[in-house]
Amino acid sequence: EAGVAQSPRYKIIEKRQSVAFWCNPISGHATLYWYQQILGQGPKLLIQFQNNGVVDDSQLPKDRFSAERLKGVDSTLKIQPAKLEDSAVYLCASSLESGRGTQYFGPGTRLLVL
Amino acid sequence: GIQVEQSPPDLILQEGANSTLRCNFSDSVNNLQWFHQNPWGQLINLFYIPSGTKQNGRLSATTVATERYSLLYISSSQTTDSGVYFCAVGGGATNKLIFGTGTLLAVQP
Repeated sequence: EAGVAQSPRYKIIEKRQSVAFWCNPISGHATLYWYQQILGQGPKLLIQFQNNGVVDDSQLPKDRFSAERLKGVDSTLKIQPAKLEDSAVYLCASSLESGRGTQYFGPGTRLLVL
Repeated sequence: GIQVEQSPPDLILQEGANSTLRCNFSDSVNNLQWFHQNPWGQLINLFYIPSGTKQNGRLSATTVATERYSLLYISSSQTTDSGVYFCAVGGGATNKLIFGTGTLLAVQP
């Protein structure tokens, strides 16, 4: 069974530029999560989707971050404009259902904002 | 919100040694996972263990939900066990995971 796929793996941009990340969850997984991991910390949830609806986006900086999950499968996370403090690893995860069960993580996208 | 504390923060072992990592959490949970984050940043699932005991090779885990803690045991450690071990808990309807600060493990040959 294929795991969670993410691209790109690395991205370097200058502040005030925009960037987008892509995630393809495990086939059949209804719930998709985006986490942000700053160096030296544990991952922090940004947004959670159940199919193509948002379940939790309470920690998403909505003035600059946006995410969508069209058709309930793939998802994109966008930052516009980027700030220096957005430098982090962005992790996508999926689970079979919301509310319980194992979350499986992708390899992440390392973002460096200069 | 739920607080998650892990101990010890850092651990250095000689190859072949055993170790116990601890995770304390502040409220009842319906999800608890242990992860190993390797040097390349990949989060690898070790256990989904909201309660009870599980074993997988040299690793085992126990969660005592009523006392709000979980333990991860690593036996006969190898250099490939090096990395950061995270405990993450989830509660409520959304299964949102709250991660601890991790234990940085270094296994020396």
